[in-house]
Amino acid sequence: QQPVQSPQAVILREGEDAVINCSSSKALYSVHWYRQKHGEAPVFLMILLKGGEQKGHDKISASFNEKKQQSSLYLTASQLSYSGTYFCGTAHGAGSYQLTFGKGTKLSVIP
Amino acid sequence: DAGITQSPRHKVTETGTPVTLRCHQTENHRYMYWYRQDPGHGLRLIHYSYGVKDTDKGEVSDGYSVSRSKTEDFLLTLESATSSQTSVYFCAISERGQKDNSPLHFGNGTRLTVT
Repeated sequence: QQPVQSPQAVILREGEDAVINCSSSKALYSVHWYRQKHGEAPVFLMILLKGGEQKGHDKISASFNEKKQQSSLYLTASQLSYSGTYFCGTAHGAGSYQLTFGKGTKLSVIP
Repeated sequence: DAGITQSPRHKVTETGTPVTLRCHQTENHRYMYWYRQDPGHGLRLIHYSYGVKDTDKGEVSDGYSVSRSKTEDFLLTLESATSSQTSVYFCAISERGQKDNSPLHFGNGTRLTVT
C-alpha cells in the first residue's frame, strides 16, 4: 500500500520551517526519504528504522513514530536549495525487497 | 555520485513497437531496480534484480520484462509499447537489499513517449 504524504505542496519563505508527514496503514519496518529537483533524479536523504530513531542531515531531520506508523521530515531554517519534491518510501518487513513510495510533497522556498 | 548511466535519455516510439531501455552501473552493486514516475503517482516499482539472472516483479510489472546477464547491466523491455507506458523511467541501484536498509541511488532517467 502506498504511504500517504501530507501536505501535497507547501510554499515557504527562506528561513521558515516545515514538516512533511508520511503515514502508512501497514506496520512500518523502515522509512526512506528522498528529494527530487525538477528534471533531475531523486537523491537519498536518510533512512529511519522502527524504534523512534531521529536522524539529521544538515538542517533536515526526521523521526519515526512506530505507534502512529508515521515518519515526519523536519526542514529547519529553509534555504532556496531545499526546493523540490520530497518522497518517502516505506518498507513493511525485514524480508521486504520492495520500497513503496508516496506521491510526494512539493516544497517551494521563495526569497 | 553513483556511476549509473541510463540510455537512451529520451525516446519517442509508436504504439505496438518493442522498446528496450538500458541501465549500466559501475558500482558493482548487487541490486538494481526499474521504477516509473508519473504525475500524481510518485515512483512505482516495475521490476528488480537481486543478482545476475535473478529478477522479480514489482507492483506495476504488466507489459514489461527485464533481463540481467551481467552485474553491471539491467535491461527493461516493453514488448509492445502502449500509450499508457508513456512515462519517465528511473533505474536505481543499491549495495544491499531494501531489507538491509540500503539507500537507493538513481540514474538520470529516460523519458519515453509512446504515440
